[in-house]
Amino acid sequence: GAVVSQHPSWVICKSGTSVKIECRSLDFQATTMFWYRQFPKQSLMLMATSNEGSKATYEQGVEKDKFLINHASLTLSTLTVTSAHPEDSSFYICSARDWRGTYEQYFGPGTRLTVT
Amino acid sequence: AQTVTQSQPEMSVQEAETVTLSCTYDTSESDYYLFWYKQPPSRQMILVIRQEAYKQQNATENRFSVNFQKAAKSFSLKISDSQLGDAAMYFCAFYTGRRALTFGSGTRLQVQP
Repeated sequence: GAVVSQHPSWVICKSGTSVKIECRSLDFQATTMFWYRQFPKQSLMLMATSNEGSKATYEQGVEKDKFLINHASLTLSTLTVTSAHPEDSSFYICSARDWRGTYEQYFGPGTRLTVT
Repeated sequence: AQTVTQSQPEMSVQEAETVTLSCTYDTSESDYYLFWYKQPPSRQMILVIRQEAYKQQNATENRFSVNFQKAAKSFSLKISDSQLGDAAMYFCAFYTGRRALTFGSGTRLQVQP
């Protein structure tokens, strides 16, 4: 089956620093990847949609200068949280859609970010 | 805009019994897909079952089945012979193919031994 990985699975960083989260499709090519944020006991909230080779589309209310998304290849998208603050602490999940255009989306295992 | 509503924040079921989780949605689209995802404590999202809106037949995957009522915009999940490993958050999700999935607020399922 299609596998999506995320790295790191857990990261702790100091306030004011930046942290990068990688999302990789391991056995398929993904023209579109999605980034979600999930607070404890809540649902997944879409942050942005990234398409390979083009700028990401951000959802309303998501600061594009704080959450930098790059989708440089068909198998890799990155989310960089810049100048992180404690309120950015959350669980970040990516999903990827196969380039063949099926409606199926495959989820990564998520990254827990803690900003101290 | 599409919305997905799960009106049951928590449900509990005895092991080996049957439980039904509710989901309603609102859309003006005629072609779409509906999903149920399971999120165990590991927080890995796991696809439980999918339903294409153009199919009248309800989807079934082993102990999991759906009751899809397109006119009522209802998409409930039935879990038969509940097992301890079924305990998790369950999210109903909607997809048109043009955007990302739209998720409901989730239902936490507890399975009592």
